[in-house]
Amino acid sequence: KQEVTQIPAALSVPEGENLVLNCSFTDSAIYNLQWFRQDPGKGLTSLLLIQSSQREQTSGRLNASLDKSSGRSTLYIAASQPGDSATYLCAVGSGGGADGLTFGKGTHLIIQP
Amino acid sequence: NAGVMQNPRHLVRRRGQEARLRCSPMKGHSHVYWYRQLPEEGLKFMVYLQKENIIDESGMPKERFSAEFPKEGPSILRIQQVVRGDSAAYFCASSRGPNSPLHFGNGTRLTVT
Repeated sequence: KQEVTQIPAALSVPEGENLVLNCSFTDSAIYNLQWFRQDPGKGLTSLLLIQSSQREQTSGRLNASLDKSSGRSTLYIAASQPGDSATYLCAVGSGGGADGLTFGKGTHLIIQP
Repeated sequence: NAGVMQNPRHLVRRRGQEARLRCSPMKGHSHVYWYRQLPEEGLKFMVYLQKENIIDESGMPKERFSAEFPKEGPSILRIQQVVRGDSAAYFCASSRGPNSPLHFGNGTRLTVT
């Protein structure tokens, strides 16, 4: 059974810093890995999707890497801004979509102005 | 270019009543997923549907819960004889197919009194 762990559970940093969020998963037989952000009382916004054959994906100030063999992914946020404050969720797809995504519990990020 | 639409946003039911949650996927998406988020918990997969078919319901409780995605109209998650433990945020997501990014709605927050 796939398990996804995110560290740290919470993080507070001053504006402008670069930061790294970590995600680990127990079963390396994955199809893809997706990072989301969730704002309070809202749904999830997809940030980046990495297919199992890829090593990283970039979108603006965000870069996500995937090391399937070690069961790890990182989300790198450059030059953090207060608007980046949210909960960041890592989710692993293990069954080609057939059995949904397995989510971590998230990292609650606060960027201090 | 509407995203995934869920309604109602908030639903209050007394114990023993029925709850019906609706989800309209993004245009062009034929795959629908339902997730549940309990307080202080991560999102848990419930069910994966394509038009008129349930593909995977391994995350769905065996009793009182059912889901459908008819040929016409939204996907419906139905909870019969609700109990307090059913109180949660229920999220719907849609995609073009397996291995494609999931797009989430803003969720329905069910409160059972």
